[in-house]
Amino acid sequence: DSGVTQTPKHLITATGQRVTLRCSPRSGDLSVYWYQQSLDQGLQFLIQYYNGEERAKGNILERFSAQQFPDLHSELNLSSLELGDSALYFCASSVDGAVDTEAFFGQGTRLTVV
Amino acid sequence: AQRVTQPEKLLSVFKGAPVELKCNYSYSGSPELFWYVQYSRQRLQLLLRHISRESIKGFTADLNKGETSFHLKKPFAQEEDSAMYYCAWAAGNKLTFGGGTRVLVKP
Repeated sequence: DSGVTQTPKHLITATGQRVTLRCSPRSGDLSVYWYQQSLDQGLQFLIQYYNGEERAKGNILERFSAQQFPDLHSELNLSSLELGDSALYFCASSVDGAVDTEAFFGQGTRLTVV
Repeated sequence: AQRVTQPEKLLSVFKGAPVELKCNYSYSGSPELFWYVQYSRQRLQLLLRHISRESIKGFTADLNKGETSFHLKKPFAQEEDSAMYYCAWAAGNKLTFGGGTRVLVKP
């Protein structure tokens, strides 16, 4: 158990809908990362937060947004969902968000858009 | 674009045989490179990083700047090594992953 908790584990929703994925980092970790894993795109970096502030941005669509709250948990909001958004969404956390610090991953949320 | 490439999607070897997972990167500077592993029904986790130059579970990886490679090797594969392996490159606070290589070690 890495200590990173993601909820829900599974989510099935219809196209056009909006969902929120939640991530609780390991105790003491200040940085949170979000990744999307799909069959054809592999593991894609979406966004990173450090102590509540956005630190790095990857291939995150404008329909997606994220934030990190004062208690350091993070939420990834996906709106106007499309079939192609079906994927496994991972959250990871690290102590300081430095590039050479190990990131600990959650089990992921499997999103299915129908 | 700066990226990490894992040319093999699937690598199947017999137990006791050597295994090498290829990873090539395109980056002009000095990259921070890692190998992450995801065993069946488990989380993605760090296997090793190039700066530590360590051997984990019998795996080693050497950074070859001339060939821009960071291949992962193990001389004698075990069945428990069957997993998905990702090469990752870190720069600018982003950890970018390759497409992954699934390793299947047959008895």
